[in-house]
Amino acid sequence: DAGVTQSPTHLIKTRGQQVTLRCSPISGHKSVSWYQQVLGQGPQFIFQYYEKEERGRGNFPDRFSARQFPNYSSELNVNALLLGDSALYLCASSPGTRQETQYFGPGTRLLVL
Amino acid sequence: QKEVEQNSGPLSVPEGAIASLNCTYSDRGSQSFFWYRQYSGKSPELIMFIYSNGDKEDGRFTAQLNKASQYVSLLIRDSQPSDSATYLCAVMPGSARQLTFGSGTQLTVLP
Repeated sequence: DAGVTQSPTHLIKTRGQQVTLRCSPISGHKSVSWYQQVLGQGPQFIFQYYEKEERGRGNFPDRFSARQFPNYSSELNVNALLLGDSALYLCASSPGTRQETQYFGPGTRLLVL
Repeated sequence: QKEVEQNSGPLSVPEGAIASLNCTYSDRGSQSFFWYRQYSGKSPELIMFIYSNGDKEDGRFTAQLNKASQYVSLLIRDSQPSDSATYLCAVMPGSARQLTFGSGTQLTVLP
């Protein structure tokens, strides 16, 4: 079975631009979570979606938004990019039931210049 | 106080030895605990999860949980150079379904 897929793998943007990251969960999983990981730190929770509804939001500014589609794939959008948004963006897939073990995709590495 | 704390290391052990990785957490309502392995430049890979007090073994890996002490650990027996990576402890609070991660412990297994 295919694991979690994310696109693109790498991205270079300049300050003030907008970016959209995409994620497809494991087949049968209904929940997608987004995390930001900066160098030397553990991942930080951004959003969680289940059945197209937002189920949780981390401590990130409103420049960050996300959505989930009927096929359970998800997009993360970041507006007005700052240098500090440079990070590895991780998508995690989970069944969405009581079993909440999360499996990570390969990530999108974003560099903001 | 950080919600999930790990010794950042680096931790070095010789090949064949037992590596012991530790993690403490602050939310007493936490229900689920996870260990992920992350190789340099890669994404986290799930190694083990544990929900109940005590030990859980899977191959060379043993997770230990003590909720009273708010402590979770990972033991790696017969450590191999391929185990060299950053190990992330993650906790799922009882009130939410997102993961809170520690900063990770960098492990190096010396041949």
